[in-house]
Amino acid sequence: DVKVTQSSRYLVKRTGEKVFLECVQDMDHENMFWYRQDPGLGLRLIYFSYDVKMKEKGDIPEGYSVSREKKERFSLILESASTNQTSMYLCASSVARTSGIPDTQYFGPGTRLTVL
Amino acid sequence: AQSVAQPEDQVNVAEGNPLTVKCTYSVSGNPYLFWYVQYPNRGLQFLLKYITGDNLVKGSYGFEAEFNKSQTSFHLKKPSALVSDSALYFCAVRDIHTGVTFGTGTKLQVIP
Repeated sequence: DVKVTQSSRYLVKRTGEKVFLECVQDMDHENMFWYRQDPGLGLRLIYFSYDVKMKEKGDIPEGYSVSREKKERFSLILESASTNQTSMYLCASSVARTSGIPDTQYFGPGTRLTVL
Repeated sequence: AQSVAQPEDQVNVAEGNPLTVKCTYSVSGNPYLFWYVQYPNRGLQFLLKYITGDNLVKGSYGFEAEFNKSQTSFHLKKPSALVSDSALYFCAVRDIHTGVTFGTGTKLQVIP
């Protein structure tokens, strides 16, 4: 079974702090994703990566950055946390298909971040 | 741009009754469609997908979905609902740039 793990289930930080959320997958997937989930808004893509050291902006990248130094690890960084970044953060991974047909995404359990 | 719409925020159904969770899509090109489920305090889990072929797609936990090209719909169905099916359900469509785009989710409540 594919396993995607996230470093914390719950996190409480103060405004202005730098926050690191880490995601690790154990299935050698090329693609990795960071989403935030908010009630009524569904999942919104923050950043994704299709290879080591590669990153692409998603729909809402402002206020976030990412790092992918190793294939299995994809980190989300909040440079200066703000209260409007309080949310559930979900990491996912998938195989890359040259056909262009997206493959199933496998999700971690999520990190519920509260910024005070 | 690719998009999916889930018109119902919540669906209530009695245990043992059939359930339907609705999804409509808007795409340019071939539609590749997915359903995911999220149980409380968990990440999303894949249920099923439509790529090509039969319009009725069977997935995990007894769920199935019907692809209807003329109505641009991909509704999720189950013949007999269980209380354990209570969860948040997301429809998703291929996005050429980012992989997939998710809908806003529908909360399914199965009443004993």
